[in-house]
Amino acid sequence: GQNIDQPTEMTATEGAIVQINCTYQTSGFNGLFWYQQHAGEAPTFLSYNVLDGLEEKGRFSSFLSRSKGYSYLLLKELQMKDSASYLCAVSPNQAGTALIFGKGTTLSVSS
Amino acid sequence: DAGVTQSPTHLIKTRGQHVTLRCSPISGHKSVSWYQQVLGQGPQFIFQYYEKEERGRGNFPDRFSARQFPNYSSELNVNALLLGDSALYLCASSLGRGQDTGELFFGEGSRLTVL
Repeated sequence: GQNIDQPTEMTATEGAIVQINCTYQTSGFNGLFWYQQHAGEAPTFLSYNVLDGLEEKGRFSSFLSRSKGYSYLLLKELQMKDSASYLCAVSPNQAGTALIFGKGTTLSVSS
Repeated sequence: DAGVTQSPTHLIKTRGQHVTLRCSPISGHKSVSWYQQVLGQGPQFIFQYYEKEERGRGNFPDRFSARQFPNYSSELNVNALLLGDSALYLCASSLGRGQDTGELFFGEGSRLTVL
């Protein structure tokens, strides 16, 4: 079967650093995505990892370990606008086919 | 540049009715996927179309059907609506199979409420 696990909720304060973990068990692996989704809005792309290691993009970084079926999204210098749901998604087949999404982690940033 | 557009944005139906949702992909994108997102959950894959052919189908009943037109736009049809079909229906486009990382570009969604 296909399974993606991530924490349901997390809280943090402005200026802090937060790490959102994701573990996956899928029939195949062709890349892992992180999407951000604000309440009532569409998901927007944050990052993509297909090889092991860390990908950094501004305040956001994403890490992948394929042997462990594990990824994390690291958010630095948190801002109130980072309050959103963060979705971990795996492409189990050839690129361009369906993504399998986790249930999402709702991050609440307080002042 | 226009992103993925979906219509209608909101609609209310009653049990047993039929609904058609529409999606226009980003220009140049040949693949369209449909996802259902129930409140508090991640998107669940329904269908993928590429070059007007169905390329993938998720675990949804036959009441759900879709098609892609020559201009790459797409429709999702749901028959005999149930209360549990109430959800946000997301359309996503991408360049196509094997042509990129597979990054999906989502529309704003169609929020369906079944009473």
